[in-house]
Amino acid sequence: DADVTQTPRNRITKTGKRIMLECSQTKGHDRMYWYRQDPGLGLRLIYYSFDVKDINKGEISDGYSVSRQAQAKFSLSLESAIPNQTALYFCATSDNYEQYFGPGTRLTVT
Amino acid sequence: GQNIDQPTEMTATEGAIVQINCTYQTSGFNGLFWYQQHAGEAPTFLSYNVLDGLEEKGRFSSFLSRSKGYSYLLLKELQMKDSASYLCAVRTNTNAGKSTFGDGTTLTVKP
Repeated sequence: DADVTQTPRNRITKTGKRIMLECSQTKGHDRMYWYRQDPGLGLRLIYYSFDVKDINKGEISDGYSVSRQAQAKFSLSLESAIPNQTALYFCATSDNYEQYFGPGTRLTVT
Repeated sequence: GQNIDQPTEMTATEGAIVQINCTYQTSGFNGLFWYQQHAGEAPTFLSYNVLDGLEEKGRFSSFLSRSKGYSYLLLKELQMKDSASYLCAVRTNTNAGKSTFGDGTTLTVKP
């Protein structure tokens, strides 16, 4: 089984809808991250969490919120989706060094 | 903030050697990572440098000069499967574990 899983893998939604992306990990890491990736722009950090009680905004947090339900679970919500949130979203975990990424969620907002 | 620069695209021939450069400007440098990302897939870790010098791992090597704000990833004996995007990421000593990624270099390996 994969160490970092994301659900759903693909999602098409309409403008204004609320959507939640979920991430689970079995690596036992305290640190978890959410990124979005747009063509040609690399990975941009949305939110990160260094333990269950610690939530921090990244460079592009506007329009997003997160919840760290447990050490193993970190979810990302779009309260009211807009088309420019169409992107590939990655969850990642780390133990202070390299990051381990989930397979990604491809989100399309129409 | 941090500025991380990498070439957007590179092309090389199967069996050859290619060097992908990364320059950065940051305060409180605390490590540099290289990741490989195949199209549509998750990034995977390649290397980590925190001290000056060369780290070798099989066909891949990574070099760091902290005084110059410079790193490179060296790929030897290129294979077609090495066609991918290569991401440079810099970590600072504030909030250790949080890294900023460059936009990546897309490498195309041709026969």
